Amino acid sequence: SQQGEEDPQALSIQEGENATMNCSYKTSINNLQWYRQNSGRGLVHLILIRSNEREKHSGRLRVTLDTSKKSSSLLITASRAADTASYFCATVLNTGTASKLTFGTGTRLQVTL
Amino acid sequence: KAGVTQTPRYLIKTRGQQVTLSCSPISGHRSVSWYQQTPGQGLQFLFEYFSETQRNKGNFPGRFSGRQFSNSRSEMNVSTLELGDSALYLCASSLTGPSSYEQYFGPGTRLTVT
Repeated sequence: SQQGEEDPQALSIQEGENATMNCSYKTSINNLQWYRQNSGRGLVHLILIRSNEREKHSGRLRVTLDTSKKSSSLLITASRAADTASYFCATVLNTGTASKLTFGTGTRLQVTL
Repeated sequence: KAGVTQTPRYLIKTRGQQVTLSCSPISGHRSVSWYQQTPGQGLQFLFEYFSETQRNKGNFPGRFSGRQFSNSRSEMNVSTLELGDSALYLCASSLTGPSSYEQYFGPGTRLTVT
């Protein structure tokens, strides 16, 4: 079962615009990660934010985490056609020596010229 | 540094058969996780191996099994294939596990069961 629900399911914007995707989850987490997947390929790690962090930046990416609301957002600024992909949030909950990564449903982003 | 490799990339099998998929992690990575991705269920965690031991397991039937070798390479096996097993199977490696480190994914094996 999926831990995270992402919103919107699909997003279409023009090049140069900003794209915001949201992720909500249900249980306590240790960290939250965002991944990108180009059509039918493997996932690429974008950013990891720990439960005690509120915001993190990496290039054109900005991630926020609100543990009280159990939600996170990914902002891509000045989007490019190459950003067209599906984006997934994944929550990590450590249970003893093991940890479990649970993915959200994903947001499909289309960036048009 | 070479990335995560998965073989084969594409596979077509018949119901009732069994299949073995292989994953070679990034050199130095000791944790390997497997995921199943389908349009209906999305990305679901299968299991994680670390130092040849299964450390975590998702909610999949016993037909799905795996193992890890001393060189960290991992295989997963699906026996008595069903149509619903058609999916993209992804493996991911990380230094010690997904809890603290990002995972690096392979390109996946696309399994079609007919």
